[in-house]
Amino acid sequence: AQSVTQLDSQVPVFEEAPVELRCNYSSSVSVYLFWYVQYPNQGLQLLLKYLSGSTLVESINGFEAEFNKSQTSFHLRKPSVHISDTAEYFCAVTISSNTGKLIFGQGTTLQVKP
Amino acid sequence: GAGVSQTPSNKVTEKGKYVELRCDPISGHTALYWYRQSLGQGPEFLIYFQGTGAADDSGLPNDRFFAVRPEGSVSTLKIQRTERGDSAVYLCASSPGMLTEAFFGQGTRLTVV
Repeated sequence: AQSVTQLDSQVPVFEEAPVELRCNYSSSVSVYLFWYVQYPNQGLQLLLKYLSGSTLVESINGFEAEFNKSQTSFHLRKPSVHISDTAEYFCAVTISSNTGKLIFGQGTTLQVKP
Repeated sequence: GAGVSQTPSNKVTEKGKYVELRCDPISGHTALYWYRQSLGQGPEFLIYFQGTGAADDSGLPNDRFFAVRPEGSVSTLKIQRTERGDSAVYLCASSPGMLTEAFFGQGTRLTVV
């Protein structure tokens, strides 16, 4: 069975500082990896995904994540955060031959302070 | 509509009652998913529909939970004999196919008192 662990439940950071949200997964088969974001009072939105190819994937708002197969990780990073990045971030996996159902981590609350 | 619509947005019910939660997916999306999110947790998979059929219902916690999608669009999640432990946010998502982006609704917050 697959599982996802987000190591930090809350990450407070000052505006314009760099941030890393950690995600590790466990699976005996190949996986596809996702980061979803939930802004206050909004639904979950896809931030970025890794399916194949380059292990470094980027979002349109400056986030990036790197798939590291040997460490079974998919950490999310941003070099300089904004107040508007305050949200809850969920890492998720699905396995290649599956139905596309997502296995989510517990979530990390990113709180950006001025 | 432009996105996935879930109704009602909030539902309070008494223990033992029956509830129905509705999901209107994005038009043309063949895949539909239900998830349940308890406080402080990530969403947990409940059931997946491809078209009208439930292709994977392995996440349904017990036989009090049932979902249908009779015409391949709107889906209804049905919970019989509700218990306080069923209190959670129920999320619906749709996508045009597997491994494409899943679009989530804002959820129905169910409170069983």
